[in-house]
Amino acid sequence: AQKITQTQPGMFVQEKEAVTLDCTYDTSDPSYGLFWYKQPSSGEMIFLIYQGSYDQQNATEGRYSLNFQKARKSANLVISASQLGDSAMYFCAMREGMDSSYKLIFGSGTRLLVRP
Amino acid sequence: GAVVSQHPSRVICKSGTSVKIECRSLDFQATTMFWYRQFPKQSLMLMATSNEGSKATYEQGVEKDKFLINHASLTLSTLTVTSAHPEDSSFYICSARDRARGLTEAFFGQGTRLTVV
Repeated sequence: AQKITQTQPGMFVQEKEAVTLDCTYDTSDPSYGLFWYKQPSSGEMIFLIYQGSYDQQNATEGRYSLNFQKARKSANLVISASQLGDSAMYFCAMREGMDSSYKLIFGSGTRLLVRP
Repeated sequence: GAVVSQHPSRVICKSGTSVKIECRSLDFQATTMFWYRQFPKQSLMLMATSNEGSKATYEQGVEKDKFLINHASLTLSTLTVTSAHPEDSSFYICSARDRARGLTEAFFGQGTRLTVV
């Protein structure tokens, strides 16, 4: 069964507008963490934002915010004021449990293209 | 932020040869490192978890004799692709977790694009 689902293979957004990238997850572990990464064409994985399952507030990092809806098991990434440099692949990932050796499980990714 | 350095960034090798890829945490100690493989336009697939001072834990379907992992110190893990074949051509990327930062981030290397000819 898919643990992390990203249903949007590709998205377009106009420069300076906001965009939401969807991510749903499936776990029975009460302790988990959700991550978003950006992967530009160069291949590196850039950490964007993290949300812990016990965090009371939605995580925010600059132009990135995570819309965490625990009951729905969704962790959508919102990018505000899109920039041309935001064009990249975006991956949602989940870590189950609180042990530092626990692995990340990645979604299939969403390719975002920002139009000038 | 913490830096993970991965080398080489690109490598082309002949079929049948072995290739070693290094993953170093430059400014933190990483008891655990992870090795991923990524095919074009696909997601990252975890290959193995590398623990310092012990044997790596491989994911189902990953040949441990084919992909040798050595985590000799708290700052270095290596992945050796042995007797490489064209089907091993892929993007390999490592990540490391900073113990001091807890569990909020896993830092990634720049990745290695392997082409076997």
